[in-house]
Amino acid sequence: SQTIHQWPATLVQPVGSPLSLECTVEGTSNPNLYWYRQAAGRGLQLLFYSVGIGQISSEVPQNLSASRPQDRQFILSSKKLLLSDSGFYLCAWDRGQAYNEQFFGPGTRLTVL
Amino acid sequence: KQEVTQIPAALSVPEGENLVLNCSFTDSAIYNLQWFRQDPGKGLTSLLLIQSSQREQTSGRLNASLDKSSGRSTLYIAASQPGDSATYLCAVTGIKAAGNKLTFGGGTRVLVKP
Repeated sequence: SQTIHQWPATLVQPVGSPLSLECTVEGTSNPNLYWYRQAAGRGLQLLFYSVGIGQISSEVPQNLSASRPQDRQFILSSKKLLLSDSGFYLCAWDRGQAYNEQFFGPGTRLTVL
Repeated sequence: KQEVTQIPAALSVPEGENLVLNCSFTDSAIYNLQWFRQDPGKGLTSLLLIQSSQREQTSGRLNASLDKSSGRSTLYIAASQPGDSATYLCAVTGIKAAGNKLTFGGGTRVLVKP
């Protein structure tokens, strides 16, 4: 069976500090990978998606970047965090076809102070 | 641009009552619609996936219907239990969207009172 991991589970960082959130998927190969952010009162927003190693598409301009160094690893980064980067970050995967179900990880709660 | 709406934003029912959750979307050009459950501080759990060619899907006490032409989906939860208390989200995969991007509704927060 497939599982998706995210870490850390929670993170408190000062403004201006760097960020690295990691997501890994087990039990599948060549998945599509996604980063979503859920901010208070704003719903779930897609930030990045990747259809393969090194292939990253950004949905919204922002202070964040994503990378996919391995087939089942997806990393969300920032060089300098802003207060507005606070939120609940969710990683998701699917099998690549448009009709496939998406599965979500447990999330990372980021608080920028 | 696809927009997904869930009304009401919150719902409170006594235990045993059936739950009816609504989801509407503006662009009927979709591949599928997915219903999720989210507990406080947790990730999303997929409940049901309905392909655009299907009218409904069932899993245990859950039944989801899809009327693509009118841009509506309904999630029915029979004989609600306190453990059904959570936020329920619907999301669509649009044919015109890049990647398999999910567009989410704002969710309906459900409280089932014992």
